[in-house]
Amino acid sequence: DAKTTQPPSMDCAEGRAANLPCNHSTISGNEYVYWYRQIHSQGPQYIIHGLKNNETNEMASLIITEDRKSSTLILPHATLRDTAVYYCIVRVGDSGGGADGLTFGKGTHLIIQP
Amino acid sequence: NAGVTQTPKFRILKIGQSMTLQCTQDMNHNYMYWYRQDPGMGLKLIYYSVGAGITDKGEVPNGYNVSRSTTEDFPLRLELAAPSQTSVYFCASRRQTGFETQYFGPGTRLLVL
Repeated sequence: DAKTTQPPSMDCAEGRAANLPCNHSTISGNEYVYWYRQIHSQGPQYIIHGLKNNETNEMASLIITEDRKSSTLILPHATLRDTAVYYCIVRVGDSGGGADGLTFGKGTHLIIQP
Repeated sequence: NAGVTQTPKFRILKIGQSMTLQCTQDMNHNYMYWYRQDPGMGLKLIYYSVGAGITDKGEVPNGYNVSRSTTEDFPLRLELAAPSQTSVYFCASRRQTGFETQYFGPGTRLLVL
């Protein structure tokens, strides 16, 4: 799996959009970008994933650059409950991926300020 | 659905004791995982299973054992507990097909003294 680089921490004001960057410059053509988050003391929670097109769901939007070397997770209207560690993970999709687990780095600790 | 459940939530062990961490999922997922998370760090894979009777080692398997006799259950056994095994343990599951969307349990916090 390709390596990812994320800033260790970020602040965002409540109600504003939180933009979390992730660098994955060695990503392969068949690797997807996944985002998970971990609220304090809880198990990680899946947020969103994408291959090359921008994706949106009820939780967030994922913007992947055209060269696929970086991506940004956007929480459009951050609330205090969005304070968590956010993990960007690159992983081969199901068609070619194995059953072994996800590789979690240290992620970005997003702190939403009131 | 309860999703992925883990017991106990918290346990204190003495060095050399043994215990089993329980994990159950009710989503009929074939793939199950055990991770550990040390303070301030990301999760590390201990063991995983692709179905009943099939298990394989992850990144940090030493000091642990697993079994998978049913689709629902994936217990993690600690033999001869050591202080280095003080950690939070998460169990997860996912479907065999489809994307890498893993569902995690609430975790078991283990302290070895």
